[in-house]
Amino acid sequence: AQKVTQAQTEISVVEKEDVTLDCVYETRDTTYYLFWYKQPPSGELVFLIRRNSFDEQNEISGRYSWNFQKSTSSFNFTITASQVVDSAVYFCALLGAGSYQLTFGKGTKLSVIP
Amino acid sequence: NAGVTQTPKFQVLKTGQSMTLQCAQDMNHEYMSWYRQDPGMGLRLIHYSVGAGITDQGEVPNGYNVSRSTTEDFPLRLLSAAPSQTSVYFCASYRGDGYTFGSGTRLTVV
Repeated sequence: AQKVTQAQTEISVVEKEDVTLDCVYETRDTTYYLFWYKQPPSGELVFLIRRNSFDEQNEISGRYSWNFQKSTSSFNFTITASQVVDSAVYFCALLGAGSYQLTFGKGTKLSVIP
Repeated sequence: NAGVTQTPKFQVLKTGQSMTLQCAQDMNHEYMSWYRQDPGMGLRLIHYSVGAGITDQGEVPNGYNVSRSTTEDFPLRLLSAAPSQTSVYFCASYRGDGYTFGSGTRLTVV
């Protein structure tokens, strides 16, 4: 069975602070994909990143960065110099190779205070 | 290219009523699925389909029916709505490079 744990239910930071959202996953698959989605107050799900289990390189996209560590089964997401527009619920998700079923964590609600 | 289109965006039902949530995609994706999102629960898979004529249950299928007569459409039916089905519903389609989600349907059952 697959499982994704986002232990942080809610986080509040002051604008311009850095913040890291944690994601820990469980899977028996050797090949899998990890995702992060953003859900702003408007409700839609916005795709942020997909990471293949064979690619452990960290990735940076503007103020966003992701740290993938297979040794600890973690795929953490860091926002640098947070902005009010970053306020949203963030979901980590897992897809096993050969499967179509995306398993989501319960989400972390991030509030960035001006 | 519209992606995944869900209708309606909002709906209020009375207990016991039936309705169909519509989902259509124009990307020729074989895989489609329905999720429900509840506070503190993340998104949970209701039903999915790997192609026309093929459907299967996900994690929380009770109270919902689906069918897949065409590649494009994957409707979700509530036969007798219950307050426990108050939720936000997302339809998604998938190809090898990732998922595309619809904008969601907010359903309230009173």
